[in-house]
Amino acid sequence: EPEVTQTPSHQVTQMGQEVILRCVPISNHLYFYWYRQILGQKVEFLVSFYNNEISEKSEIFDDQFSVERPDGSNFTLKIRSTKLEDSAMYFCASSEDRVNPEAFFGQGTRLTVV
Amino acid sequence: AQSVTQLGSHVSVSEGALVLLRCNYSSSVPPYLFWYVQYPNQGLQLLLKYTSAATLVKGINGFEAEFKKSETSFHLTKPSAHMSDAAEYFCAVGNQAGTALIFGKGTTLSVSS
Repeated sequence: EPEVTQTPSHQVTQMGQEVILRCVPISNHLYFYWYRQILGQKVEFLVSFYNNEISEKSEIFDDQFSVERPDGSNFTLKIRSTKLEDSAMYFCASSEDRVNPEAFFGQGTRLTVV
Repeated sequence: AQSVTQLGSHVSVSEGALVLLRCNYSSSVPPYLFWYVQYPNQGLQLLLKYTSAATLVKGINGFEAEFKKSETSFHLTKPSAHMSDAAEYFCAVGNQAGTALIFGKGTTLSVSS
């Protein structure tokens, strides 16, 4: 069964460093997303991406964050100058089209900023 | 604006008992509604979805949910709980692909033998 894959599964970085979280969405899906879940809290939307541009973003997704689809398969989230409060589980998701809007999530990348 | 309220952060049932997890939503447009399950240290797995077709939706693992517009509810049920159902369950509302899913705070389901 097709699935969303994320790498790495766990990343530890020092405060102020840049990190790139990587995702391979399901191959025929058109919409891509990043969500995050701070430990013990609910899942929060960060950004959605369609047709090579951001279609929606939340207040959390400030200038510190950026997304890119560098080729036909990968979808990345870059966090510049990480802060302690960026520590969270980051989930990538994809959905097929407007008729099938449900999002399929990857296993997540646990980011720990020290 | 859309929002989701999950009543009860923790629900405990005995194996074989009925499972009822409550979800109420708020949406200014016809919503899409979803239930996801999260097992420890894993991602979110889609249980079922409502996208304006049948109001009673059947999902995986014997779960189902009923969309009640008059009550703005989308409660998740399962007739007989299994130990393997113990997990975190999230209700989410959206309105079209490419836009944000808004999640509830989640309900932890515990199942005892």
